[in-house]
Amino acid sequence: NAGVTQTPKFQVLKTGQSMTLQCAQDMNHEYMSWYRQDPGMGLRLIHYSVGAGITDQGEVPNGYNVSRSTTEDFPLRLLSAAPSQTSVYFCASSKRGGGGETQYFGPGTRLLVL
Amino acid sequence: GENVEQHPSTLSVQEGDSAVIKCTYSDSASNYFPWYKQELGKRPQLIIDIRSNVGEKKDQRIAVTLNKTAKHFSLHITETQPEDSAVYFCAASAYSGNTGKLIFGQGTTLQVKP
Repeated sequence: NAGVTQTPKFQVLKTGQSMTLQCAQDMNHEYMSWYRQDPGMGLRLIHYSVGAGITDQGEVPNGYNVSRSTTEDFPLRLLSAAPSQTSVYFCASSKRGGGGETQYFGPGTRLLVL
Repeated sequence: GENVEQHPSTLSVQEGDSAVIKCTYSDSASNYFPWYKQELGKRPQLIIDIRSNVGEKKDQRIAVTLNKTAKHFSLHITETQPEDSAVYFCAASAYSGNTGKLIFGQGTTLQVKP
């Protein structure tokens, strides 16, 4: 199993551009989530999904959209990038939802918005 | 919503000493408390977790204690080694079935000096 994969590893955007961060898992996990990691602020939850077709907002959802059309994929869309979205983004998954089980993290995407 | 506070933000110990990291949470319904370790440039990985029906859990040199009344939990690392140097995150979830989400603290950078 590849586990949780993320692409790209690194991306540079200009303010106002849009892009999609990809996340996929091959463990048949129901629960998937997106976090952003900034120095001194820990891991902040952006959006999460308890299964295909179901998504919900986390702590910092503004400026981001998600969809879950399949169990395997959970892309994160930046609609109009801003410098405040410069961060490292981690996707995570677990067998079931609720955040009550081991989360398996992807390798991360480092995003720089100029 | 849930808020998790973590202290200290940085911790430096001599090899062989013990290290303690403390977290408090705000939602009295929280019932799952994991700890993640993130080595430099790597993804976070679960090292130990505890559920609300247990007061203490040990795994070799690592232990976690939970005080539900005070709404705080702690990570204890004994006989620290240089390879314990990393960022440690606490988290909390008030999950029920498939509902709930995992909220992280701000992280503690642990440095173990040889």
